[in-house]
Amino acid sequence: NAGVTQTPKFQVLKTGQSMTLQCAQDMNHNSMYWYRQDPGMGLRLIYYSASEGTTDKGEVPNGYNVSRLNKREFSLRLESAAPSQTSVYFCASRSLRGVGDTEAFFGQGTRLTVV
Amino acid sequence: LAKTTQPISMDSYEGQEVNITCSHNNIATNDYITWYQQFPSQGPRFIIQGYKTKVTNEVASLFIPADRKSSTLSLPRVSLSDTAVYYCLVGPDYGNNRLAFGKGNQVVVIP
Repeated sequence: NAGVTQTPKFQVLKTGQSMTLQCAQDMNHNSMYWYRQDPGMGLRLIYYSASEGTTDKGEVPNGYNVSRLNKREFSLRLESAAPSQTSVYFCASRSLRGVGDTEAFFGQGTRLTVV
Repeated sequence: LAKTTQPISMDSYEGQEVNITCSHNNIATNDYITWYQQFPSQGPRFIIQGYKTKVTNEVASLFIPADRKSSTLSLPRVSLSDTAVYYCLVGPDYGNNRLAFGKGNQVVVIP
């Protein structure tokens, strides 16, 4: 199994440009998440999707939009990139199939630099 | 998810046992305690989960007292490769399905 796959792995954008980060999982998980991680910081939740067709804001949603395209795919879009969005972005998925089943699986990350 | 509090960082010498604490005073009856490990330049990975008393696997042990308001992750005889950030989470929150990690505890293993 590939698990959680993110594309691209690296990206450099100019201020004001737009782009979409892609995430796909092959574990049939219901829930998917997008995080950003700045140097020396913990993970901050941007958006999440509890199930296909639903999305919700996390801790730092401003400047981002998401689309839960189907059960497998959850994309993150930056409409007008700003230097403050320079970060490493992680996608994760999990499935709450039973009590205590909170294990989340993460992608390898996307390193985004906005100049 | 219930709020958790962890030390920001700690150092340990190679070969020692490392104990990482986490406070979760408002843990709910249905909540489990889950720990993740994040190596530099990688996404976090699940290492252990428990509800009460003690849980052990090939990587770590998790100690949970009877009141469940705290927990301790124990890493036996750490090596340099155990240098990572360790996150403590309490949940799941079936109500809204959020998964928030916080800042975690940076553990640095020194030769």
